Amino acid sequence: GAVVSQHPSWVICKSGTSVKIECRSLDFQATTMFWYRQFPKQSLMLMATSNEGSKATYEQGVEKDKFLINHASLTLSTLTVTSAHPEDSSFYICSARARLNTEAFFGQGTRLTVV
Amino acid sequence: EDQVTQSPEALRLQEGESSSLNCSYTVSGLRGLFWYRQDPGKGPEFLFTLYSAGEEKEKERLKATLTKKESFLHITAPKPEDSATYLCAVRSDNYGQNFVFGPGTRLSVLP
Repeated sequence: GAVVSQHPSWVICKSGTSVKIECRSLDFQATTMFWYRQFPKQSLMLMATSNEGSKATYEQGVEKDKFLINHASLTLSTLTVTSAHPEDSSFYICSARARLNTEAFFGQGTRLTVV
Repeated sequence: EDQVTQSPEALRLQEGESSSLNCSYTVSGLRGLFWYRQDPGKGPEFLFTLYSAGEEKEKERLKATLTKKESFLHITAPKPEDSATYLCAVRSDNYGQNFVFGPGTRLSVLP
């Protein structure tokens, strides 16, 4: 399968600071990228969908000013958690898809801990 | 509204004991059903895509099938390394370009 690389795999930050997470498709061009949040023993919760060169579409209840998503190229999307608070601590996962109706491939996930 | 449910929630098998996981869906205009495997602390790993009723896909000990209302992931003679959470997801006309994920089935295979 195709490879999606997510970095960092874990990060610890202080409350009030911002954290950037990168998601790269290594061997294909991703027209669409997805960002998910996952709580322990729960399924994936979609946060936003982004298409290259367009503004991200956020799911209801997700603060767009807090979770900034940039999909600047066909191989890179970033999620920036701004002014992080302990309640933002979670497992964040990105996925990328080359074409509509095809499967999406996931990154390794990022464990964010805000202290 | 599209819905995806999975059963059982958790399944414990002895090594070599074959079984099936179920993914039931209610969608308008299925555009694809996807199976993933997720290990703790990692992102989901893609397994299969099924597009139409009657379609089947196989990979090692796993076989996925699809009907108009559900999909099964059959695991034949499982090994401890098959232990993981198995997620199914659908894409449909209703949900645009996004995937709707089921809650997953946690599989444990005991040696």
